[in-house]
Amino acid sequence: DAGITQSPRHKVTETGTPVTLRCHQTENHRYMYWYRQDPGHGLRLIHYSYGVKDTDKGEVSDGYSVSRSKTEDFLLTLESATSSQTSVYFCAIRTGWEATEAFFGQGTRLTVV
Amino acid sequence: AQSVTQLGSHVSVSEGALVLLRCNYSSSVPPYLFWYVQYPNQGLQLLLKYTTGATLVKGINGFEAEFKKSETSFHLTKPSAHMSDAAEYFCAVSVAAGAQKLVFGQGTRLTINP
Repeated sequence: DAGITQSPRHKVTETGTPVTLRCHQTENHRYMYWYRQDPGHGLRLIHYSYGVKDTDKGEVSDGYSVSRSKTEDFLLTLESATSSQTSVYFCAIRTGWEATEAFFGQGTRLTVV
Repeated sequence: AQSVTQLGSHVSVSEGALVLLRCNYSSSVPPYLFWYVQYPNQGLQLLLKYTTGATLVKGINGFEAEFKKSETSFHLTKPSAHMSDAAEYFCAVSVAAGAQKLVFGQGTRLTINP
């Protein structure tokens, strides 16, 4: 799993509440990504980071924000959760500029009720 | 921009039969292509990748894929299916620039019949 830990692994929350998901890596890799997985859509990129305090939007960024204050942690925040954000969220890393593939965490299953 | 289309959201084969999962991509620049596998309740695991060089790439668990530029395809094959191959398979594309963001197809669920 390339030293990637996602927390929590499961969460149920109510509509309108804020939620933060954490991705932690142990090897100080530069590139980190947040994806969501939904049936029929594969995985879609939410946000990504290319260094501390350097982040950018992905394909489905509306309703999400991210922060990266330390190399090892990449946080995904849903400011006010909605039922459409019920999904499985995956963090991924890329191990360097020359590296081509991404390594994925185990995922966080989020249910918004 | 890049995109990926996986033909067939569900594929079912008999144990011992050929596995063929289809992937077509769109990219305005030379692509990097990947196949990932996902077992139930797990993350994604890289099966194989094409970046440059030999167009036939071999991966783990006996899988291979061939990059065909003229057909914009990267189909995944395995000569003989095993029960343990039952999983969801994702084709993905990126390019050799910037953050190399992966764009995924919608996935193909492979079922193996005994």
